Amino acid sequence: DQQVKQNSPSLSVQEGRISILNCDYTNSMFDYFLWYKKYPAEGPTFLISISSIKDKNEDGRFTVFLNKSAKHLSLHIVPSQPGDSAVYFCAAVSGTYKYIFGTGTRLKVLA
Amino acid sequence: DTAVSQTPKYLVTQMGNDKSIKCEQNLGHDTMYWYKQDSKKFLKIMFSYNNKELIINETVPNRFSPKSPDKAHLNLHINSLELGDSAVYFCASSQEAGGWTDTQYFGPGTRLTVL
Repeated sequence: DQQVKQNSPSLSVQEGRISILNCDYTNSMFDYFLWYKKYPAEGPTFLISISSIKDKNEDGRFTVFLNKSAKHLSLHIVPSQPGDSAVYFCAAVSGTYKYIFGTGTRLKVLA
Repeated sequence: DTAVSQTPKYLVTQMGNDKSIKCEQNLGHDTMYWYKQDSKKFLKIMFSYNNKELIINETVPNRFSPKSPDKAHLNLHINSLELGDSAVYFCASSQEAGGWTDTQYFGPGTRLTVL
């Protein structure tokens, strides 16, 4: 039973445009959410997080939006750069320590 | 200077063998984790240790046994390897006991192939 879903396995965006990555979840008890970025042959690296009591968090080119009523999370990257090409995982956390990850979306930013 | 390191990076072995994967973190974190990423790309938590004590133990076959000799190390031992154990195993660590400002730092992964 997937509690965290990323329904788009891949996304291609032109350099300079906005990339929007989506994530849906089923458990309304999650405390916070995170986005991780993963390059091939490397472990995931933390990008940005958001508490369940907020609806937006911004860090430079990256903004995460949380819509609790829709149980939907999105990551916006503006402007997209070729170095952003990677697999992006969203993760939800319930209680302490336990992260539940989505299956990832592969972003390709075209130069 | 690698924050979370795993050895080996690749491991190819026969069914029925016993193998270990080692993980070390030099971040001074209190909590360490093992994740399994299967062929469908699901990244699932297996175990978590806080200050050498087991705090998360997901539904994992008891052929998998984590061992934490100290806070900086969390090793994963797998007995009687099966084909379905083939996956990428990631180690991770974190500092705080949860909270949205906390994050986990991942190692580069160990790709295990069971023949």
